[in-house]
Amino acid sequence: DTEVTQTPKHLVMGMTNKKSLKCEQHMGHRAMYWYKQKAKKPPELMFVYSYEKLSINESVPSRFSPECPNSSLLNLHLHALQPEDSALYLCASSHGRNEQFFGPGTRLTVL
Amino acid sequence: GENVEQHPSTLSVQEGDSAVIKCTYSDSASNYFPWYKQELGKRPQLIIDIRSNVGEKKDQRIAVTLNKTAKHFSLHITETQPEDSAVYFCAASIRGRGDSSYKLIFGSGTRLLVRP
Repeated sequence: DTEVTQTPKHLVMGMTNKKSLKCEQHMGHRAMYWYKQKAKKPPELMFVYSYEKLSINESVPSRFSPECPNSSLLNLHLHALQPEDSALYLCASSHGRNEQFFGPGTRLTVL
Repeated sequence: GENVEQHPSTLSVQEGDSAVIKCTYSDSASNYFPWYKQELGKRPQLIIDIRSNVGEKKDQRIAVTLNKTAKHFSLHITETQPEDSAVYFCAASIRGRGDSSYKLIFGSGTRLLVRP
């Protein structure tokens, strides 16, 4: 399997909801990433997990909570989001510092 | 600070012509430079990459050049086709603070339009 998968593809949530985004890869990659991408902008790094441990948090608000249950899975828990958090959320994985492979993304709309 | 500048922001070429996109990075410790193509509504797809120990790399119609001294790298697409139309992002890899993690710093993107 040479793909990164993400669920759901689309998510609409209210500001009081709690939801989770899921990411999975079976390429044996030990680094996994969450990015946020707004329209017509580059991906913006949020978190990096290395060997299942959080290694980089790019000063992301606490309403975004990452979790890495095992080496193949990465979750992003969402709570009390704001409309400006609406974006495409991309997961990626890599073998160390080599090429990052992106998932298809979850398009999130916060009402 | 960490920064990657990318130019031009938009590029329109006639089918069959060449397209060149240029990037400049700030961190001299960067040693890996990928290029991603992103079509509308799709994920970024890695199209070519280069490491700092190589000056040029080519894959069919796509080539990337790297000038470490000037901290410049460029994407060259020859014989462009309409399906090359997309947004292209350059990136530079830098080490995360305090551990062995690496992260990519992306350029702002170039919207390439290939006119039939």
